Amino acid sequence: EAGVAQSPRYKIIEKRQSVAFWCNPISGHATLYWYQQILGQGPKLLIQFQNNGVVDDSQLPKDRFSAERLKGVDSTLKIQPAKLEDSAVYLCASSLPLGLTEAFFGQGTRLTVV
Amino acid sequence: QKEVEQNSGPLSVPEGAIASLNCTYSDRGSQSFFWYRQYSGKSPELIMSIYSNGDKEDGRFTAQLNKASQYVSLLIRDSQPSDSATYLCAVKGNAGNMLTFGGGTRLMVKP
Repeated sequence: EAGVAQSPRYKIIEKRQSVAFWCNPISGHATLYWYQQILGQGPKLLIQFQNNGVVDDSQLPKDRFSAERLKGVDSTLKIQPAKLEDSAVYLCASSLPLGLTEAFFGQGTRLTVV
Repeated sequence: QKEVEQNSGPLSVPEGAIASLNCTYSDRGSQSFFWYRQYSGKSPELIMSIYSNGDKEDGRFTAQLNKASQYVSLLIRDSQPSDSATYLCAVKGNAGNMLTFGGGTRLMVKP
């Protein structure tokens, strides 16, 4: 079974530029999460989708971050414009929609803003 | 804000010893509890899940859950240098299946 796919693996941009990350979840996983992990910290949930609907985006900085999951499968997370403090690893995870199920992570995208 | 708390460590144990990692959570309605292992530069990898009070054993790993005390722990028996990593506790709430992580505990197993 294929795992969660993310791209790109690495990205370096200048501040005020824009960037987009892509995630393809495990087949059949209706729940998709985007996390931000700053070095030395635990993953922080940015947004959670159930199919193509948003379940929670309370910690998403909506003035610069946006995310979509138009067909309930792939998802894109965008940052525009980027700030230095956005340097982090962006992790995508997916799970079955039921409560008692595990989430599995992709390899992540390491973003460096200079 | 639902919180999950872990001691950041590092927790240093000698090879062959038992490593004990602890986690507390604030949401009494939480239903699912997970331990992930994260090696430096890698993404989190699921190692244990637990859903009911008591112990759950899987090889050298034992997860323990006490919902009344809002406490979950992970024991690693016969610790190996390859167990050196950051261990993340994650809790899934009752509503919306939000998965919240603690800050992680860094474990160092010394040969």
